[in-house]
Amino acid sequence: KAGVTQTPRYLIKTRGQQVTLSCSPISGHRSVSWYQQTPGQGLQFLFEYFSETQRNKGNFPGRFSGRQFSNSRSEMNVSTLELGDSALYLCASSSAGLARETQYFGPGTRLLVL
Amino acid sequence: AQSVTQPDIHITVSEGASLELRCNYSYGATPYLFWYVQSPGQGLQLLLKYFSGDTLVQGIKGFEAEFKRSQSSFNLRKPSVHWSDAAEYFCAVGPYNNNDMRFGAGTRLTVKP
Repeated sequence: KAGVTQTPRYLIKTRGQQVTLSCSPISGHRSVSWYQQTPGQGLQFLFEYFSETQRNKGNFPGRFSGRQFSNSRSEMNVSTLELGDSALYLCASSSAGLARETQYFGPGTRLLVL
Repeated sequence: AQSVTQPDIHITVSEGASLELRCNYSYGATPYLFWYVQSPGQGLQLLLKYFSGDTLVQGIKGFEAEFKRSQSSFNLRKPSVHWSDAAEYFCAVGPYNNNDMRFGAGTRLTVKP
């Protein structure tokens, strides 16, 4: 079974631009969560999608948004990029988004904002 | 508010020595507790998790963790460390529905030959 895939793996953008990151979950998984990882703030929960619906969102500004498609693939978008958005963005999938399930993480997309 | 504290930023152990990584949590309800490992350039891999029942949990790669409610701790242990265990380890706590997990700052493990 293929793991969680994220594209692209690396991105360089400039301040003010927008960016879209993609996550393909493990086949059959309907829950996709996104996390931001930075040296200063560590791992922070961004949002979680299940069956195309956002079920929860972390404490991030509205510039961070996401969506999920009918095939469970998910995208996250960051508009008006700031230097502080430079981070590793991780997505994770699980069957139904329950803590008792195993959540599988992708390798991440490393975003650098210049 | 839920939070996780990993007191040790960096730990160095000799190969073959025992390991204990500390984790303390703050959570209002019954917590779901996790340990993840992250190798350089990789995503996170689940080592083990605790929901209820036996407070000593066995995981992959020879790791185990013990839940102590009275101390709000969930420490990770391994009796004999291998060089391949060098990585960053994260403790996490979350609700039943997994959609607001809180991670600790991580502990970087270095293994000396």
